[in-house]
Amino acid sequence: EVQVVDSGGGLVQPGGSLRLSCVASGFTFSTYWMSWVRQAPGKGLEWVANIKEDGSEKYYVDSVKGRFTISRDNAKNSLFLQMNSLRVDDTAVYFCARGRWFDAWGQGTLVTVST
Amino acid sequence: DVVMTQSPLSLPVTLGQPASISCRSSQSLVLSDGNTYLNWFQQRPGQSPRRLIYKVSNRDSGVPDRFSGSGSGTDFTLKISRVEAEDVGVYYCMQDTHWPGTFGQGTKVEIK
Repeated sequence: EVQVVDSGGGLVQPGGSLRLSCVASGFTFSTYWMSWVRQAPGKGLEWVANIKEDGSEKYYVDSVKGRFTISRDNAKNSLFLQMNSLRVDDTAVYFCARGRWFDAWGQGTLVTVST
Repeated sequence: DVVMTQSPLSLPVTLGQPASISCRSSQSLVLSDGNTYLNWFQQRPGQSPRRLIYKVSNRDSGVPDRFSGSGSGTDFTLKISRVEAEDVGVYYCMQDTHWPGTFGQGTKVEIK
């Protein structure tokens, strides 16, 4: 069974940092692009970043460029999102999703940026 | 960025009746490879999204055949042939033909 499990969310002050993790199982992780998608409270979905199978290509939505870094460890079937210089409007549930077209999703991890 | 516009934003339906959601893109979603990267997602209350349809009309594994997708160019439709109670939730279209991938605002389906 394909599974992705997100973790790492929490409460952080504006300007702070947080690192999200996602562990995958049930498929050959190293052969898939992986993505992060977020959903602000009561709002719709927004693609945040994705990374190629071997980590050689990474793409970000403009609003997080220079602040967020996506990475992966194929030996550990893991995906990461390092979030720096967090802003109040980064508050959202962050989902790890398989592929570029999101055919499997994690349960989401809540990031709250607030004083 | 490509703007995805869904309608209606709220859709009350009677159990057993059909439902239809429209999604329009601000530019054609046909890529040079001939494919159209338009997907549909369902998000039930309190759950993660789940992909239902990819490349306009292809149902994902395990998706009931009462769900169907159609359309071309800039106009797309998700249809539910007979709504069941488990279909309550928010439905999103999403394009990945043009970077960055963008979602519609979502259509909330509820039972009358």
